[in-house]
Amino acid sequence: DGGITQSPKYLFRKEGQNVTLSCEQNLNHDAMYWYRQDPGQGLRLIYYSQIVNDFQKGDIAEGYSVSREKKESFPLTVTSAQKNPTAFYLCASRSWEQGPANYGYTFGSGTRLTVV
Amino acid sequence: AQTVTQSQPEMSVQEAETVTLSCTYDTSESDYYLFWYKQPPSRQMILVIRQEAYKQQNATENRFSVNFQKAAKSFSLKISDSQLGDAAMYFCALFSGNTPLVFGKGTRLSVIA
Repeated sequence: DGGITQSPKYLFRKEGQNVTLSCEQNLNHDAMYWYRQDPGQGLRLIYYSQIVNDFQKGDIAEGYSVSREKKESFPLTVTSAQKNPTAFYLCASRSWEQGPANYGYTFGSGTRLTVV
Repeated sequence: AQTVTQSQPEMSVQEAETVTLSCTYDTSESDYYLFWYKQPPSRQMILVIRQEAYKQQNATENRFSVNFQKAAKSFSLKISDSQLGDAAMYFCALFSGNTPLVFGKGTRLSVIA
């Protein structure tokens, strides 16, 4: 079945460590997105990529980095510069095909990152 | 800048009753789309309903319907015959100008048996 796979489901990070969250999709979607979810804050955009080898910063990109070497993959690295990384991270994708059905996103099941 | 505002952090409804969740938005685009997403305790985001701004008719999906007031930039979600499985976080979202979806802060809905 087509979908988005995020791994791991739970991740623990020590202070000062970099960690990478995986996001893989087999939907042949063109665009991919990373959102951070905190209680009472909704979903805030970290980074997004509309084509391979290109990506743009979102509203809260500081302390994060991404790559888009393959259409299917959009990993997110949480660096030690991110001062408050404990949060729930959601990856999403969508197709560039025109039509209302393609303007909403398909979401992964998320990764819960905790700093210990 | 595009913004989405959900003014109700929490709502509750009795089982089988009707509840309305509020959402207002702002965009300078004339062509845009509005969405309601549901996030149950599993945290999987589920698309509930979608509204195209150019359509005057309010969207409906089974027990879920919207009240789209374009001039007022309002997009409320009505859930009829509420069920225990409707308990979740609900997010309103805006897509316009081919920029990433902008989300509101969410409304936590509780359903009381």
